[in-house]
Amino acid sequence: SQTIHQWPATLVQPVGSPLSLECTVEGTSNPNLYWYRQAAGRGLQLLFYSVGIGQISSEVPQNLSASRPQDRQFILSSKKLLLSDSGFYLCAWSAALPGQPQHFGDGTRLSIL
Amino acid sequence: GENVEQHPSTLSVQEGDSAVIKCTYSDSASNYFPWYKQELGKGPQLIIDIRSNVGEKKDQRIAVTLNKTAKHFSLHITETQPEDSAVYFCAASRVLTFGGGTRLMVKP
Repeated sequence: SQTIHQWPATLVQPVGSPLSLECTVEGTSNPNLYWYRQAAGRGLQLLFYSVGIGQISSEVPQNLSASRPQDRQFILSSKKLLLSDSGFYLCAWSAALPGQPQHFGDGTRLSIL
Repeated sequence: GENVEQHPSTLSVQEGDSAVIKCTYSDSASNYFPWYKQELGKGPQLIIDIRSNVGEKKDQRIAVTLNKTAKHFSLHITETQPEDSAVYFCAASRVLTFGGGTRLMVKP
């Protein structure tokens, strides 16, 4: 069966520090991969999605970036974190076909001090 | 692009009562409509989904209805239990667009 792993589960970082969040998927090949941010008590904001290695689409302009160095690895990065980057970051995968459900990891809670 | 509106944003029901959450979408080409349940500190989990060739789907206490003409779909939870308390999200394809979420509170 397919599984998705995100780490770390929680992270506290100072303003201006770099960020790297990692997500890996097991049990499937060539998945679509997604990064979402969820502010406290709010909905899901799609940040990036990828349909293949090295292929990244950005939905929202910001100081975050994403990379997909391997088929089942998706990384969310920042060179310099802002206070507004605080939130709950979720990675998800779906099969590479139209109209397929997304399956979410358990998220990373990022607090910027 | 697709726009999905979800309401109510919060819903409080008594244990045993039914709960209904409604979503509308804008893209008439959307053909897949999943519902997710998110518990505190966890990622959303798929609980039921429906495709555009079906008007209703049921799974035990959960059902989803779809009206393609009116472009709206609904989640129905019967005989609610305290463990149903969570945030629920609807979504519409083709690249899934999520509604804003409904916080459901079931009071024992």
